[in-house]
Amino acid sequence: AQSVTQLGSHVSVSEGALVLLRCNYSSSVPPYLFWYVQYPNQGLQLLLKYTTGATLVKGINGFEAEFKKSETSFHLTKPSAHMSDAAEYFCAVRSTGANNLFFGTGTRLTVIP
Amino acid sequence: GAGVSQSPSNKVTEKGKDVELRCDPISGHTALYWYRQSLGQGLEFLIYFQGNSAPDKSGLPSDRFSAERTGGSVSTLTIQRTQQEDSAVYLCASSLGGTSRYEQYFGPGTRLTVT
Repeated sequence: AQSVTQLGSHVSVSEGALVLLRCNYSSSVPPYLFWYVQYPNQGLQLLLKYTTGATLVKGINGFEAEFKKSETSFHLTKPSAHMSDAAEYFCAVRSTGANNLFFGTGTRLTVIP
Repeated sequence: GAGVSQSPSNKVTEKGKDVELRCDPISGHTALYWYRQSLGQGLEFLIYFQGNSAPDKSGLPSDRFSAERTGGSVSTLTIQRTQQEDSAVYLCASSLGGTSRYEQYFGPGTRLTVT
């Protein structure tokens, strides 16, 4: 069975502050992990993914995430928030052999000027 | 290149009517997925196509929902006898293959409102 938990449905940060969006997963087999971003009235855009290899992955727009197997976590971070980062962020997992992505419920990020 | 496109972008229909939602995947992508995004339910998987075949229909919520894909390209999701609980954004995604490591590229979605 697979599931994804995103702690915090809403996160607010000041412009220039650290962004930390939390994601924990459960999977019975090694997973592939993804972060997507959704801007208002748009589809999902891939930020970054972990498949194999280096556990710290870098994505677009200065975001990065670290796969920690012992903690079953894949938290998303960005050192300095920008106003344009305001959006909804979804963590997703796909186990090897699975056909589809399982998504978390999303975290809405607000950036305060 | 062109991304995944979906039409219509918005659809308002009366309860009990049938609707068809269309998805044009990225050229060359053999795998196609339909998801539903609704308040309180998050993003739910509906169906997966590899080529024209649908090996996984496990997410379709009822037999009122069906989908087909022709020519390994365009897909249509049909909802018969729509109900208010069908109101949601329907997202289509495509990928190079069905293997887990391939990322899925999403379209902008069709917002369905059943009145």
